[in-house]
Amino acid sequence: RKEVEQDPGPFNVPEGATVAFNCTYSNSASQSFFWYRQDCRKEPKLLMSVYSSGNEDGRFTAQLNRASQYISLLIRDSKLSDSATYLCVVNIIGDMRFGAGTRLTVKP
Amino acid sequence: EAGVAQSPRYKIIEKRQSVAFWCNPISGHATLYWYQQILGQGPKLLIQFQNNGVVDDSQLPKDRFSAERLKGVDSTLKIQPAKLEDSAVYLCASSLNGGALDTQYFGPGTRLTVL
Repeated sequence: RKEVEQDPGPFNVPEGATVAFNCTYSNSASQSFFWYRQDCRKEPKLLMSVYSSGNEDGRFTAQLNRASQYISLLIRDSKLSDSATYLCVVNIIGDMRFGAGTRLTVKP
Repeated sequence: EAGVAQSPRYKIIEKRQSVAFWCNPISGHATLYWYQQILGQGPKLLIQFQNNGVVDDSQLPKDRFSAERLKGVDSTLKIQPAKLEDSAVYLCASSLNGGALDTQYFGPGTRLTVL
């Protein structure tokens, strides 16, 4: 079983849609959790950290369920500029483990 | 604030040749990481430095890969000899002190093609 698993997609959605990505992790010792965004042929950039209580940043909402070892990212009112690959990242005792990413394309 | 710098941006070599990549982290960042990202996969950590010491190199193929950060600032990653399966983007990242909640900032990467 992979340490961090994501649905690879691709997700093709119209502008204005709401889309949700899921991620599961296998190591219960995982300490912290993040979503990174990676544009085509660019480096990953931090989108948001994920806290136990859930957190929101504008149109983006992240949730963490430690009992189920599950992380989610919800994007509301999708914009064309949201098109990218979204990487789920888990910090396991100082090591960052990346999922393979979920590709999102937002269409006009 | 200047970001993480990497060079070269692109490199094409033949198998069995050697290649080296350079990284200069964000000023003041103690922790430096090298990742390998194969097409269609997420980045995989190769090695992590804390200042000039190695924290984790468990996933570094030590028979052909080596890395150093002699003065605790910039770093080089070397592959000798290269194999076809080494074709990937090599990403350097840095963070303030490597803590669990630290943000890692990535450089633009070096895209390596081994023919």
